[in-house]
Amino acid sequence: GAVVSQHPSRVICKSGTSVKIECRSLDFQATTMFWYRQFPKQSLMLMATSNEGSKATYEQGVEKDKFLINHASLTLSTLTVTSAHPEDSSFYICSASNGITRDTQYFGPGTRLTVL
Amino acid sequence: AQSVTQLDSQVPVFEEAPVELRCNYSSSVSVYLFWYVQYPNQGLQLLLKYLSGSTLVESINGFEAEFNKSQTSFHLRKPSVHISDTAEYFCAVTVPLNAGGTSYGKLTFGQGTILTVHP
Repeated sequence: GAVVSQHPSRVICKSGTSVKIECRSLDFQATTMFWYRQFPKQSLMLMATSNEGSKATYEQGVEKDKFLINHASLTLSTLTVTSAHPEDSSFYICSASNGITRDTQYFGPGTRLTVL
Repeated sequence: AQSVTQLDSQVPVFEEAPVELRCNYSSSVSVYLFWYVQYPNQGLQLLLKYLSGSTLVESINGFEAEFNKSQTSFHLRKPSVHISDTAEYFCAVTVPLNAGGTSYGKLTFGQGTILTVHP
């Protein structure tokens, strides 16, 4: 149980285009979802926290107009990187927690974004 | 704010040897502590966690970690490692959001430790 999927697993795009990454909780309702970014040989850095049906809370230094997060249902959150640039190339990871075992986050496998 | 330091970026060991992955944290309030494991090309998986109660917590695959409040540490240990334990291990900390401790704030991760088990 508690499986989280991400799609796509890898994406390559041209500079200036927008990319959408999906995060789904497959067997539980995710009241809260988190989006992280991981640079090579570095740790995960939280970008934003989203609760179903409300606006995401962004961490300091994260541009909310560039990284659009939507959490429209209890099983799906999306991260859209708008007008992507090479410096946005990174590994993006989502996690989800439910209303019962809220002390544990379940992580997706991540999405490797490469912006040319 | 909280911070986590994993003192070793890489730990090579031979199969069946014991291993300790070190984790120290900094926080002005009580915390919850976690160890996550990331196998190659996979997402993070929860290995074990300390929320309250016994300071020694165990995982199903033989790892254990001990919460030491005085030393602000949560080191991960295994008495005998296997090749399949090769992975990157992340220590993480969070703060309970409410007095009941059933919800929590954001996770702050350490830098990760790559454990490589050699035959």
